[in-house]
Amino acid sequence: GNSVTQMEGPVTLSEEAFLTINCTYTATGYPSLFWYVQYPGEGLQLLLKATKADDKGSNKGFEATYRKETTSFHLEKGSVQVSDSAVYFCALTTGGGNKLTFGTGTQLKVEL
Amino acid sequence: GAVVSQHPSRVICKSGTSVKIECRSLDFQATTMFWYRQFPKKSLMLMATSNEGSKATYEQGVEKDKFLINHASLTLSTLTVTSAHPEDSSFYICSAQTGGGVEASYNEQFFGPGTRLTVL
Repeated sequence: GNSVTQMEGPVTLSEEAFLTINCTYTATGYPSLFWYVQYPGEGLQLLLKATKADDKGSNKGFEATYRKETTSFHLEKGSVQVSDSAVYFCALTTGGGNKLTFGTGTQLKVEL
Repeated sequence: GAVVSQHPSRVICKSGTSVKIECRSLDFQATTMFWYRQFPKKSLMLMATSNEGSKATYEQGVEKDKFLINHASLTLSTLTVTSAHPEDSSFYICSAQTGGGVEASYNEQFFGPGTRLTVL
C-alpha cells in the first residue's frame, strides 16, 4: 500500500532561518506528491505539488523536488517568516479517485 | 480560493448519543467529498468517499453503520456518528472536490477546518 513518512516536530526556527522538512514515501504505482499547510484554526490548503519525477513544485517561497530515486519530496524554504508557523503535511495520491495518503504532519514554529 | 465549511467546529456529547457533522462547499459544487479522521500526532486517515446522489464508499475497517454519510446535494455532505462512545472522540475533517475524480488526473481537494468531537 501507500505510505508517507515525515519528520516529527515541532520544528522551531528563528525568523530568516533555512527550513527543511523531510518526507519520504512508498507507493504502488506512480504517485503525485503534495505538500499541504494547515494554519491555526483553518483547513488544510494545498501548498505545492509535483506530478512526475524531477518536477519541482514551488509556492510562497517554498520548494520541493520529486526525487524518484530516493522516493523523497523534501520541503524547503530559504528564509522563513513568523507567518509560516503552521503544520505541514506531505501527501501522495496514485489516482484511483484521488484518494490522498498523508504523513503525520510537522509543526513549524518560527520565532522572532 | 474555494471555501469549505464545517459545522459544528466543536461538539461534546454523552456516550450513546448520535452526532451530525455538516460539510459545505460554499462557492463551488462538489461532486465528491471525503471524510477524514485525525488522531493526535497521527496522519489524517481517510474514512470514506462520497459522491453526490450515491452511497458512500468506506475504507477498510470503517464501520458504515457507525459512521453514516449522506451527500444529498452538490454542496452538502453530512457525517453522523451513531451511538457515539469515548473511542470515537477525534478530529473529523472533510474535503470537497470538483470533477469526477478521473483516474488519470488530480482534482484538488479543498479542506474544511475540522470538527473536534469529544464523547464523555
